Amino acid sequence: DAMVIQNPRYQVTQFGKPVTLSCSQTLNHNVMYWYQQKSSQAPKLLFHYYDKDFNNEADTPDNFQSRRPNTSFCFLDIRSPGLGDAAMYLCATSSLADGYNEQFFGPGTRLTVL
Amino acid sequence: AQKITQTQPGMFVQEKEAVTLDCTYDTSDQSYGLFWYKQPSSGEMIFLIYQGSYDEQNATEGRYSLNFQKARKSANLVISASQLGDSAMYFCAMRDPSSGGYQKVTFGTGTKLQVIP
Repeated sequence: DAMVIQNPRYQVTQFGKPVTLSCSQTLNHNVMYWYQQKSSQAPKLLFHYYDKDFNNEADTPDNFQSRRPNTSFCFLDIRSPGLGDAAMYLCATSSLADGYNEQFFGPGTRLTVL
Repeated sequence: AQKITQTQPGMFVQEKEAVTLDCTYDTSDQSYGLFWYKQPSSGEMIFLIYQGSYDEQNATEGRYSLNFQKARKSANLVISASQLGDSAMYFCAMRDPSSGGYQKVTFGTGTKLQVIP
């Protein structure tokens, strides 16, 4: 089945130790998104790729970076995780060709910072 | 700026009963789209239903229907015949047409629904 896959599902890192989260999709969608979701809050958009064009939200900290080497993969790099970065990180995709343009989400990666 | 408001942080419903989750929105755009997503405790956001601002009929998808009242700027989700598996967080969201091709979505704060046996 076509889907959005995120690895790992759970990630534990130490304060200040760089960490990379990965997302892959088999939907061949041209847009990929990264969201941060803290407990009991709505998802917050960090950035998105429209094909290879990177778009950062104005309030996304510099500590967060992203790479999209090809259509299928997208990575979220947290250069120096702080305790406040502990959250669920959701990857999503959408296709402008589809009628609704709804976003398809992966299962998320829950990040713990010790 | 767009805004989505969900005023019910938590709701309880008896199994097999219907439940309505409220959502109001604020936008100055004439063309927009409204979504509802379900997020179980596992974390994945699951798309449930979509309503376009120009759609004259309320959207329906199986047990889910969207009560769209454009003049009141409300887009309430109705779940009929609730099941235990419906227990989850529910987010209302609106697509921002001014965001251009990538379709930025603004989410509400969510409603936690618990279905009681």
